[in-house]
Amino acid sequence: QQPVQSPQAVILREGEDAVINCSSSKALYSVHWYRQKHGEAPVFLMILLKGGEQKGHEKISASFNEKKQQSSLYLTASQLSYSGTYFCGTANNAGNMLTFGGGTRLMVKP
Amino acid sequence: NAGVTQTPKFQVLKTGQSMTLQCAQDMNHEYMSWYRQDPGMGLRLIHYSVGAGITDQGEVPNGYNVSRSTTEDFPLRLLSAAPSQTSVYFCASSSKTRSLRRETQYFGPGTRLLVL
Repeated sequence: QQPVQSPQAVILREGEDAVINCSSSKALYSVHWYRQKHGEAPVFLMILLKGGEQKGHEKISASFNEKKQQSSLYLTASQLSYSGTYFCGTANNAGNMLTFGGGTRLMVKP
Repeated sequence: NAGVTQTPKFQVLKTGQSMTLQCAQDMNHEYMSWYRQDPGMGLRLIHYSVGAGITDQGEVPNGYNVSRSTTEDFPLRLLSAAPSQTSVYFCASSSKTRSLRRETQYFGPGTRLLVL
């Protein structure tokens, strides 16, 4: 089942902060975050694993609440380059399929 | 390294035609996958492979076939194109292991397909 992302869209001014949420009805082993700019391929941001381990982008922070089956991506002091669509993905138990959420569109204005 | 490459970039097909979307990677990754992305939507998994000779179905496999004869290549075949298959298709590869849990996926640039 597809994870649910919120909000669906957000508009920010440069320097403002945003939080993007991802929730699942299934137990999670890991949550993956990607950003996609218009007309381009998704690009990896980070992976959050059970037990608190994280892999990925140094300038982006995120949290993973295993009990609530939720993850949040924190974008602080946003820059114009942060604009794009953010997707979370959750791995199945076997670790051979990643199911993506519907995405959150972020627009950062000057 | 070229990473993940896909050809063609754009394709227009008529209903009922067949075609193959090519995908190759030079990172010696075991795991490869195909996704489709419809306008304003997320990515949906079509098929995946955990190594040469091993393929399996994803969320939306109907109307598509795959094979994996080498580690590097993972072509996607549309058997009889339908307008509902109009989409952007992304190939991705990931890891030298067979599990995605801890691994990054590297996406190709995509193929934009229009079926008339």
